[in-house]
Amino acid sequence: EAQVTQNPRYLITVTGKKLTVTCSQNMNHEYMSWYRQDPGLGLRQIYYSMNVEVTDKGDVPEGYKVSRKEKRNFPLILESPSPNQTSLYFCASKPSSGANVLTFGAGSRLTVL
Amino acid sequence: GENVEQHPSTLSVQEGDSAVIKCTYSDSASNYFPWYKQELGKGPQLIIDIRSNVGEKKDQRIAVTLNKTAKHFSLHITETQPEDSAVYFCAAEHQAGTALIFGKGTTLSVSS
Repeated sequence: EAQVTQNPRYLITVTGKKLTVTCSQNMNHEYMSWYRQDPGLGLRQIYYSMNVEVTDKGDVPEGYKVSRKEKRNFPLILESPSPNQTSLYFCASKPSSGANVLTFGAGSRLTVL
Repeated sequence: GENVEQHPSTLSVQEGDSAVIKCTYSDSASNYFPWYKQELGKGPQLIIDIRSNVGEKKDQRIAVTLNKTAKHFSLHITETQPEDSAVYFCAAEHQAGTALIFGKGTTLSVSS
């Protein structure tokens, strides 16, 4: 089944404890992206990657890092999480040509205490 | 940069009624406008999209209209059913496909 898989789905952590949210897609998509969803603010892009080893900032990149060493994986790293990073995170992917359809993962709910 | 405004934020209708959600965008260079449906506990899923060379597109009970001159597009759902209850997001493609800029979402409730 074609899908974007995120882990963990739920995580409660404390301020300053580094964490990584993994994202993997099995559709051979070149483009991958991370969004965060907050009440009343919709979906805002954190980082995106057009292909392996190519990443760029979205609208709200502060406090986050990403890497794209392999085509299928695009982990989101929070080096020193803070309570304002408590949010619902979505990874998404799409092919670089043809249909622009963005396929989303099921989401990762992160709480930073 | 691109800004997408979406209205209303909440919409309640009776089963069988029609629902309309409207969005405006700011970047006249945007050419692709998808609509996503997000059910509780799930990620957003594409339900319909439209490109700037088309004024209207229909898929069964769902239709999208686009007015490029006025920079607005709308989602129309006819004969609503309880399973249409969800959060709906409009979006506009920005900067040659590097990002989809989303509206803030509309929570649609269909009561039977």
